[in-house]
Amino acid sequence: KAGVTQTPRYLIKTRGQQVTLSCSPISGHRSVSWYQQTPGQGLQFLFEYFSETQRNKGNFPGRFSGRQFSNSRSEMNVSTLELGDSALYLCASSLALVGQGDGYTFGSGTRLTVV
Amino acid sequence: AQSVTQLDSHVSVSEGTPVLLRCNYSSSYSPSLFWYVQHPNKGLQLLLKYTSAATLVKGINGFEAEFKKSETSFHLTKPSAHMSDAAEYFCVVSASGGSYIPTFGRGTSLIVHP
Repeated sequence: KAGVTQTPRYLIKTRGQQVTLSCSPISGHRSVSWYQQTPGQGLQFLFEYFSETQRNKGNFPGRFSGRQFSNSRSEMNVSTLELGDSALYLCASSLALVGQGDGYTFGSGTRLTVV
Repeated sequence: AQSVTQLDSHVSVSEGTPVLLRCNYSSSYSPSLFWYVQHPNKGLQLLLKYTSAATLVKGINGFEAEFKKSETSFHLTKPSAHMSDAAEYFCVVSASGGSYIPTFGRGTSLIVHP
């Protein structure tokens, strides 16, 4: 059974550019959630999609957005990149909504470096 | 509102000795609690979860945790550390009645000496 797949694994972007990250969940999982991990702030929840609808959103600016397709694959977009957006971005999938008693399976992440 | 505090940023043990990673939480609602492990350059792997069933939860790789409501704690233990246990461990709380947004602890780095 394939796990959660995130692409690309590494990205280097310039300030002001925009970036799109992709996440393919485990087959049958309908929830995809996104997280930002930095040394300074730790792991922070970005947002969650379930059946193509955003269900929960963390405390991030509007430059961070996402979407989910009918096959449950999800993309995350960050516009007008800032140096502080450099982080490991993790996505996770689960059968149910995040936090509703189910654990979630994480991908290996996309390491974004903004220069 | 909810929060989680991992009381130690680093824990160092010798191989074969017990492991204790401490986690305290606060939540206005009945919490679900999780422990995850992250090896270098990897995503997080679920070790175990508490969701209002048995208070002693057994997980993978010999880990277990006990939910103590009176102490608002969910400490992770293992009787005998293995070199492969060296990693970063995260305690996570998510509360029903709220928006289910998970809150992560800052992590505890487990160092295992031969």
